[in-house]
Amino acid sequence: QVQLVQSGAEVKKPGASVKVSCKPSGYTFTVYFLHWVRQAPGQGLEWMGRINPNTGGANYAQTFQGRVTMTRDTSINTAYMELSSLRSDDTAVYYCAKGGTFSSNWDAFDFWGQGTMVTVSS
Amino acid sequence: SYVLTQPPSVSVAPGKTATITCGGNNIGIKAVHWYQQKPGQAPVLVIYYDTDRPSGIPDRFSGSNSGNTATLTISRVEAGDEADYYCQVWDVSNDYVFGTGTKVTVL
Repeated sequence: QVQLVQSGAEVKKPGASVKVSCKPSGYTFTVYFLHWVRQAPGQGLEWMGRINPNTGGANYAQTFQGRVTMTRDTSINTAYMELSSLRSDDTAVYYCAKGGTFSSNWDAFDFWGQGTMVTVSS
Repeated sequence: SYVLTQPPSVSVAPGKTATITCGGNNIGIKAVHWYQQKPGQAPVLVIYYDTDRPSGIPDRFSGSNSGNTATLTISRVEAGDEADYYCQVWDVSNDYVFGTGTKVTVL
């Protein structure tokens, strides 16, 4: 069965960086987009970007351009999302989610990780 | 930017039908997906490509999409359907967009 397992909760100080990992299983990692979505406490879902695990190419939401980097390590089937220059309003749960194949932007996010809570506090 | 507007809340009695709307400019030409999120849990896909249900999702969940409104319908509502629901589309200018979310309360 498809599973996406994320790394554990993080507490960071303002200005620091955080790197969250996501390890999918149950499907071929390099065939589907891997998306990152965040949710601030009590708020809605916000798309951050996606990575093509086959090529390593990534697309980022305008809101996060310059602050987010998405990478992957195909040798261990793991994707990473690093967010820098953290602020208090980056406090949120960060999810990875399996997307569709590279031929379609329209596909749904059909499986999600359990989420990683990132708290930014001085 | 492309905006998807949902009602903040919908209340429904057990056994009745809940209707959740998702409004967007010409949303009828886009592929709409719906997610259910229960407190403290990750979202779960309940409807994809406007009307399709993933394996394991009850047929009480159905969707439609036309004009400027997409709709998620939950028939014969159960207590376990109480959750937040989000619509989502891909927009060529704005990438992936989520709706504002609707909290469904079962009375």
